[in-house]
Amino acid sequence: EEQLLESGGGLVQSGGSLRLSCEVSGFSFSSYAMSWVRQAPGKGLEWVSTITGYGGSTKYADSVKGRFTISRDNSRNTLYLQMNSLTPEDTAIYYCAKDAVVVVPWAGWFDPWGQGTLVSVSS
Amino acid sequence: DIQMTQSPSSLSASVGDRVTITCRASQSISTYLNWYQQKPGKAPNLLIFATSRLHSEVPSRFSGSGSGTDFTLIINSLQPEDFATYFCQQSSSTPYTFGQGTKVEMK
Repeated sequence: EEQLLESGGGLVQSGGSLRLSCEVSGFSFSSYAMSWVRQAPGKGLEWVSTITGYGGSTKYADSVKGRFTISRDNSRNTLYLQMNSLTPEDTAIYYCAKDAVVVVPWAGWFDPWGQGTLVSVSS
Repeated sequence: DIQMTQSPSSLSASVGDRVTITCRASQSISTYLNWYQQKPGKAPNLLIFATSRLHSEVPSRFSGSGSGTDFTLIINSLQPEDFATYFCQQSSSTPYTFGQGTKVEMK
């Protein structure tokens, strides 16, 4: 069974930093592009970032470009999101998600998703 | 960026009803359109990818159609477990974008 488990969320002050982790199991991690998608409380879904299977290419939403960095450690089956210069607008549940199929560089549709980790940024 | 617009934002329906949700892209996305179901407090689940292909174990009462800019999700004979919020998402190009969601509530 494919499983994704996020951690690292919490309460942080505006301007602060957090690093999210997503530990996966049940599939060949390095074969799949991985993404972060966030959801502000009571709101819709916003794609944040994607990284290829071997980490050579990344993409970011304009809203986080220059502040967030996606990375992965295939030896640890773990995806990361380093978040700097956080603002209250970054408050959301952050989900990691696996590309549903193996496509180079990425497919862009997601299955499965982790259970999410809540990031709250206070002003 | 490609804007995705879903309608309606919410609807009330009864068990056994046929439900139709539409999704419109601001520019052509061919058939790079996916649908997700989300229940309260849970992560989204992939229902349909590439406009009309059902993800594994998704019941056949779900179907998708469309191409270009206009897409439809149909739920035939709504079941109790189908009350949820549905999101469309384009995977034609980054930034990947989602519709605002359609909440299917019990009448």
